[in-house]
Amino acid sequence: GENVEQHPSTLSVQEGDSAVIKCTYSDSASNYFPWYKQELGKRPQLIIDIRSNVGEKKDQRIAVTLNKTAKHFSLHITETQPEDSAVYFCAANGPYSSASKIIFGSGTRLSIRP
Amino acid sequence: GAGVSQTPSNKVTEKGKYVELRCDPISGHTALYWYRQSLGQGPEFLIYFQGTGAADDSGLPNDRFFAVRPEGSVSTLKIQRTERGDSAVYLCASSLIGGMDFSGANVLTFGAGSRLTVL
Repeated sequence: GENVEQHPSTLSVQEGDSAVIKCTYSDSASNYFPWYKQELGKRPQLIIDIRSNVGEKKDQRIAVTLNKTAKHFSLHITETQPEDSAVYFCAANGPYSSASKIIFGSGTRLSIRP
Repeated sequence: GAGVSQTPSNKVTEKGKYVELRCDPISGHTALYWYRQSLGQGPEFLIYFQGTGAADDSGLPNDRFFAVRPEGSVSTLKIQRTERGDSAVYLCASSLIGGMDFSGANVLTFGAGSRLTVL
């Protein structure tokens, strides 16, 4: 079945440095890849998404890249700030028969060191 | 409403009991999703509704779990004969539309979740 693998599970970076989180997906038919941020005790919130017709998308300090051949996509956060500390989840939609099904990775706990 | 509303926010029950969790999606959103999130894990897909019908229920773990959305708006997740392993946060999400056309209208908005604890 559909599967999304995410790594690392935890990541600690110095404030101001960059953070990179990587995900792989199993089904080549997946065409939508959102990223969600979840702060402690809060609900997941969309921070950026990418569709299979583009290879890269950027929104201020956040960028996502997609390699469809290798079936992997990555989140890049530059100039990290304390408020970036949270758990980040990548996700992908299912194959043709279940394209609306969004499958999540297991999450990356990002800590920003002051 | 302005956001996705879930009730109760917390539910403590005893093993073997029946529970219902309610989700009130954003007004006008036709697609509704239920996920389960255990501590330290990502949201686990349970079921997806398009309108009143369950378009994909492949994530329901067993026949103790059932969900309905009779009028295409509010949804109820029902769990029979609860077990300790059912303890988790149950998240509901809605989007304007579902389907294969991911044009921005398919972005999921999550509710705050219902924390279920089975003793």
